This record gives sequence, C-alpha cells and structure tokens, in this order.
Amino acid sequence: DVKVTQSSRYLVKRTGEKVFLECVQDMDHENMFWYRQDPGLGLRLIYFSYDVKMKEKGDIPEGYSVSREKKERFSLILESASTNQTSMYLCASSRGRTNSPLHFGNGTRLTVT
Amino acid sequence: GQQVMQIPQYQHVQEGEDFTTYCNSSTTLSNIQWYKQRPGGHPVFLIQLVKSGEVKKQKRLTFQFGEAKKNSSLHITATQTTDVGTYFCAGSGGSNYKLTFGKGTLLTVNP
Repeated sequence: DVKVTQSSRYLVKRTGEKVFLECVQDMDHENMFWYRQDPGLGLRLIYFSYDVKMKEKGDIPEGYSVSREKKERFSLILESASTNQTSMYLCASSRGRTNSPLHFGNGTRLTVT
Repeated sequence: GQQVMQIPQYQHVQEGEDFTTYCNSSTTLSNIQWYKQRPGGHPVFLIQLVKSGEVKKQKRLTFQFGEAKKNSSLHITATQTTDVGTYFCAGSGGSNYKLTFGKGTLLTVNP
C-alpha cells in the first residue's frame, strides 16, 4: 500500500513565522501535490510537482512556495504565516505522467495565531 | 480556468434510502475521479471514469460519466451508516493532468 506521510498532524504557529510542512511518499511516485481544505471550499490545489526540482503553481499559490529536492519528499513553505492560512493541508502523490489516482496523507491542521 | 461544480452540498437520508451526488464541469474532461472522505479522515480514491457514457459499479455504488464528458454522478443504493462522509468528484482536461476537485457532498445517514 502507498504510504504518504505528513510530518505533523497538528501545528500552531504565530503570524509572521516561517512554516515548513513536510511530506514523504514511499512508492516512488513521480507526482506530488499540496492541497488546502477549508469548510465549504473543498480541496484547492496550491502547488504540484511532476519531477525532482520541478514545480508548478496550482490555483492558489500566493503566500506559499515549495521544494522538491528528492523524489520522495515535497515540502510546502509559508514564508510569513498569516491567519488566513489557518487550514487543513493535504499532501498527495500519484504515479507517472497520467491521470492516475491520488494517494493522500493524513493531513496537517495548521493554526496561525 | 476549469471549474467543477458539485451538488448538493449536503444530503441527509434515512438508512436504506438512496443517495445521488452530481458533478458538472465547465469544460470537457479527459477523466473524472471520485473520492470519499470519512469524518476526520483524508480523501480516499474510489474510482476513475474515462470513456464517454461509461458506467461502473462497486457493490451499492454506481458511477456514471456523461456522453459529453462534462458531467458525472455517484448513486448509492440503500444507504448504510458506513456510507457517511464527504464524496468528492475531481476532473482533469486535455493534456493538463492537474485535478480540479468539486466542493464535495456531505452525506449523513440516520440509523
């Protein structure tokens, strides 16, 4: 079974802090994604990556950046956290350059105070 | 950009009743996927549809992809309490492999 592991289940940070959310997958998947999930808004794509050192903006990239130095690891960075970035963050991975299913991690509930 | 609308937002049923959620895209899709998220959990892949008019079944769940590949539906027959959760559709179009999710339908089942 594919395992997507997010480093923290819950995180509380202060406004202005730099925040790192880490995601690791163990199935050698090429594609990795970061979504945020908010009540009534569903899942919105922040950034995605099809290959190491490659990244593409999703629908809501403002205020975020990403890093993919190794195939199995995809990091989401909040350069200066703000209260409107309080959300559930979901990492996902999928196989190859195809419309293959997404495998999600358990999510990180981030609260910015 | 591509938009995927999903209705209804909420549905409450009595156990044993049927349930349907509908998904509509503003553009033609190359494929549509369905996910289920249990309360407190993460989305889990259910099925993928790629052909025009395709119908797939998984026990009490029936998935359809429209002829124009712009709409889809998930129908659950005789709901059970284990069906509780949020059901999401997600579609991608053309050579863009990026999935766009609908906002989901939250299903609650009264035993």
